[in-house]
Amino acid sequence: QKEVEQNSGPLSVPEGAIASLNCTYSDRGSQSFFWYRQYSGKSPELIMFIYSNGDKEDGRFTAQLNKASQYVSLLIRDSQPSDSATYLCAVPFSGYSTLTFGKGTMLLVSP
Amino acid sequence: ETGVTQSPTHLIKTRGQQVTLRCSSQSGHNTVSWYQQALGQGPQFIFQYYREEENGRGNFPPRFSGLQFPNYSSELNVNALELDDSALYLCASSSPQGNEQFFGPGTRLTVL
Repeated sequence: QKEVEQNSGPLSVPEGAIASLNCTYSDRGSQSFFWYRQYSGKSPELIMFIYSNGDKEDGRFTAQLNKASQYVSLLIRDSQPSDSATYLCAVPFSGYSTLTFGKGTMLLVSP
Repeated sequence: ETGVTQSPTHLIKTRGQQVTLRCSSQSGHNTVSWYQQALGQGPQFIFQYYREEENGRGNFPPRFSGLQFPNYSSELNVNALELDDSALYLCASSSPQGNEQFFGPGTRLTVL
């Protein structure tokens, strides 16, 4: 089974800083990668997905993928206290249209 | 467009009982996946339904079973509840074309 590894954190950053969240995966054949945000007590919400090596930007969020290193990251620029949540990295599960998730990294943005 | 809905929101059961959780998929989505999320963990894939058939299963015992109906809504049934079944149960729907999973609000199950 595919493995997805994330540092559980918490990662603490001051408001306005760049938060960098990292994820490694075991299956070299993985083609797509997903980042979800989950507020405490709520369900995961899709933030971004990325298929190609390099960077993908969407507003304050940038996903970075390096398939050679089996590494995907999420950068959050100008972090806000409302960004405080757990961020989940996920890859498709064994060819099905479902996902294998990491344990998530908790991000805390202090005012 | 209606998003994914789940019922009930919260549920308390005792060990050995049975439970049924329900999910309505997002409009246009014919694939439903169920996940279990224990405290401090990421969601764990239970199984997926596509066109009323089970289309993949994670590492969960047979006492976890499901159904999908012609309108693409789905049920998750858990028999002989154990204390470790206490978790947030998430339903997610997806379109035939994509891997993106769109989650419902979840059902919090507590087994005493």
